[in-house]
Amino acid sequence: AQTVTQSQPEMSVQEAETVTLSCTYDTSESDYYLFWYKQPPSRQMILVIRQEAYKQQNATENRFSVNFQKAAKSFSLKISDSQLGDAAMYFCAYRGQTSGTYKYIFGTGTRLKVLA
Amino acid sequence: DTGVSQNPRHKITKRGQNVTFRCDPISEHNRLYWYRQTLGQGPEFLTYFQNEAQLEKSRLLSDRFSAERPKGSFSTLEIQRTEQGDSAMYLCASSSRDFQYGALHFGNGTRLTVT
Repeated sequence: AQTVTQSQPEMSVQEAETVTLSCTYDTSESDYYLFWYKQPPSRQMILVIRQEAYKQQNATENRFSVNFQKAAKSFSLKISDSQLGDAAMYFCAYRGQTSGTYKYIFGTGTRLKVLA
Repeated sequence: DTGVSQNPRHKITKRGQNVTFRCDPISEHNRLYWYRQTLGQGPEFLTYFQNEAQLEKSRLLSDRFSAERPKGSFSTLEIQRTEQGDSAMYLCASSSRDFQYGALHFGNGTRLTVT
């Protein structure tokens, strides 16, 4: 069974600095998708960035980028120029493509605090 | 794109009562998912639909839980004989027909409190 692990329950970053959130996963599939979602306090979960496993190039969305290491099954999120609005829970998620199931599996999350 | 809508936003019920939640996905989305989230945890998969067909249901889900999506549009999640352990946020999400690239779009959730 696929699993997603986020080993950092909480992280802090100074405003305008850079922070990296870690995520590892376990799967036997060769093709899959990985996602980072943001959940601000009492607000709905929104997509931050996605990565297709067959693409070697790391995904980038403005200040957000990933470091995808397929062999190591690692998928970290880097937030550059951190802003107060980045404070939220961040969830890493996995969705398989070849096993016949299309459920999304989430990690336990990392709470990011941004210090002014 | 009006977003995923969930009703009610909050539900307080007494142990043993039945509750039903509704989810209206984004109109062109054919897949609909239900998740449960407890405080400080990630979303836990419950079930998902493609159109009106329920394709997968979590083994963690007891027989007290049932979900439907009768016309492939909105969905309902019913919990019978609620228990205090059912207290959680219930999240609905949908994804587009272009599923190869689609990510989940979440609603605001229904917070259930069982007293």
